[in-house]
Amino acid sequence: DIQMTQSPSTLSASVGDRVTITCRASQSIGNSLVWYQQKPGKAPHLFIYRASTLESGVPSRFRGSGSGAEFTLTISSLQPDDFATYYCQQHYDYPITFGQGTRLETK
Amino acid sequence: EVQLVEAGGGLVQPGGSLRLSCAASGFTFSAYWMTWVRQAPGQGLEWVANIRQDGSAHYNVDSVGGRFTISRDNAKNSVFLQMNNLRVEDTAVYYCVRCPSEYSSYKWWGQGTLVTVSS
Repeated sequence: DIQMTQSPSTLSASVGDRVTITCRASQSIGNSLVWYQQKPGKAPHLFIYRASTLESGVPSRFRGSGSGAEFTLTISSLQPDDFATYYCQQHYDYPITFGQGTRLETK
Repeated sequence: EVQLVEAGGGLVQPGGSLRLSCAASGFTFSAYWMTWVRQAPGQGLEWVANIRQDGSAHYNVDSVGGRFTISRDNAKNSVFLQMNNLRVEDTAVYYCVRCPSEYSSYKWWGQGTLVTVSS
């Protein structure tokens, strides 16, 4: 199985901060990497696919980058609505696997 | 508008069975792979199983192999998850997800249905 490891698990930040979340795969997955945002009690929301393509409607302050086995999600200037949990997911091979999540909280 | 509505969750004892269903609308159901993803309370996301458009192929995570079976009825625009020999660790919210292809990102999710396995 391909293991997906996110860091950090929790990130404390303030509105206006630039933050970066890292996702590492246990093997190369090309650009088969997706980022989701999830808020409490809600289903995950697709944010970025193919490692760097923003889903329609996602603010441009979000940026995905990387390929192979290392990926990052960067938020250039945190807004109040961005405090949530973020998950990466690989769909390169079965079983499809997710990272453990990064909880972005208010400092 | 794409809609996915799960049903069938509830409280069940260890060793028991449940059948989840997901009613789809707003798109051509038979054109899409469908997937179940679950999330244990306070935990992360876990892919459970998926099924091809015509039901001819399906895959699942090892931890549910031999216990869970995914199926679909294209005439009823529905996908199902038959869960047998349930364990406490199967307790989770189960989400139904539409997939544009076998290997793809997940844009459309249902609201989820809670399965609680407890004595």
